[in-house]
Amino acid sequence: EAEVAQSPRYKITEKSQAVAFWCDPISGHATLYWYRQILGQGPELLVQFQDESVVDDSQLPKDRFSAERLKGVDSTLKIQPAELGDSAMYLCASSYSAGNTDTQYFGPGTRLTVL
Amino acid sequence: QQQVKQSPQSLIVQKGGISIINCAYENTAFDYFPWYQQFPGKGPALLIAIRPDVSEKKEGRFTISFNKSAKQFSLHIMDSQPGDSATYFCAASTGFQKLVFGTGTRLLVSP
Repeated sequence: EAEVAQSPRYKITEKSQAVAFWCDPISGHATLYWYRQILGQGPELLVQFQDESVVDDSQLPKDRFSAERLKGVDSTLKIQPAELGDSAMYLCASSYSAGNTDTQYFGPGTRLTVL
Repeated sequence: QQQVKQSPQSLIVQKGGISIINCAYENTAFDYFPWYQQFPGKGPALLIAIRPDVSEKKEGRFTISFNKSAKQFSLHIMDSQPGDSATYFCAASTGFQKLVFGTGTRLLVSP
């Protein structure tokens, strides 16, 4: 069964450092999502791509976060500089299309700890 | 208005019992209500979903009950098993808009 791949699985960094997360969606999925999940809360959408275009980044802290999906396949989420409050699980998900009934398949996530 | 309120925060059920998790929403434009199951160290996985044109949907031991007038929906897990121990999230969305997740319910099914 195809899965969404993410790396690294765990990342520990110091405040003010730069970090990057990578996501490889299920083959053929045009829509890719990055979520942030704070411990004890539900996932919150940071950015949504349709192919290589951003369709929703309203909750992305653009002063320090950036995301790209250059060829419309895999994607990278970057934080520079990292802050203590960025400690969370970063989840990538993909779906065949952007329709809300298209199932979103989540990867295992990257757990970020900022010291 | 975009919030989805979920309760309880945690739940302990004996093996064989019924687990019930409730969610409430305000945005009447929501037209898709999925439930996700998340095991430790894993991403959420879609468990079951419902559209507001039906009041109930059942898949195996999992049932969604939907009350459009009360703007509430709930997940019922019949014959709960230890393997069902996980965190459950309700969510809602409309059209091509983003999924809004509840805060999660940590379910523990005791043997």
